Amino acid sequence: QLQLQESGSGLVKPSQTLSLTCAVSGGSLSSGGYSWSWIRQPPGKGLEWIGNIYHSGSTYYNPSLKSRVTISVDRSKNQFSLKLSSVTAADTAVYYCARGRNPTPYYFDYWGQGTLVTVSS
Amino acid sequence: DIQMTQSPSSLSASVGDRVTITCRASQSISSYLNWYQQKPGKAPKLLIYAASSLQSGVSLRFSGSGSGTDFTLTISSLQPEDFATYSCQQSYSTPFTFGPGTKVDIK
Repeated sequence: QLQLQESGSGLVKPSQTLSLTCAVSGGSLSSGGYSWSWIRQPPGKGLEWIGNIYHSGSTYYNPSLKSRVTISVDRSKNQFSLKLSSVTAADTAVYYCARGRNPTPYYFDYWGQGTLVTVSS
Repeated sequence: DIQMTQSPSSLSASVGDRVTITCRASQSISSYLNWYQQKPGKAPKLLIYAASSLQSGVSLRFSGSGSGTDFTLTISSLQPEDFATYSCQQSYSTPFTFGPGTKVDIK
């Protein structure tokens, strides 16, 4: 059974960089047919897709965050990471990692439990 | 970006009721529409993909329909474990976008 587990700092100061890691177990990040996404949910609000990375290493980012986002993969540890720079209070959210099944139809079939990141001084 | 809207934003229903939730896309997305269920403090769970395909392990009381811009999620007979928030998501083009959610609570 595939499992995803987010980890990282739960409190980040404004203007600093948010860093999270998603450890994948029960499957390989290098498997074809999947991509690996970060999705966030501000308190009481809807879900926002941040971006993803494919097994090839190709990345796609939400244009609304593209200038501040980097998603990378560490195949030796079977994990992928998110960095979001220059954070503000608007970046406070629960951050989820998820597996995307592709090619079409594309959907998120496995999710981590989520981790709350608060941006505050 | 493709904008997703849902109606209603919330509804109250009783166990055994038939419940229908609507999702609308700002442009045609063919059948590239997924539905998720989310309970408080938990990650979303995939229910329906490609508008009408039931995810493995999901109860048959959930069904989806629609294509183009208008989609529906139907719960045929609401059960106590179905009280949750339901969100639609388009996978027609990036950035993938989600609807704002429909909260289903107990009448």
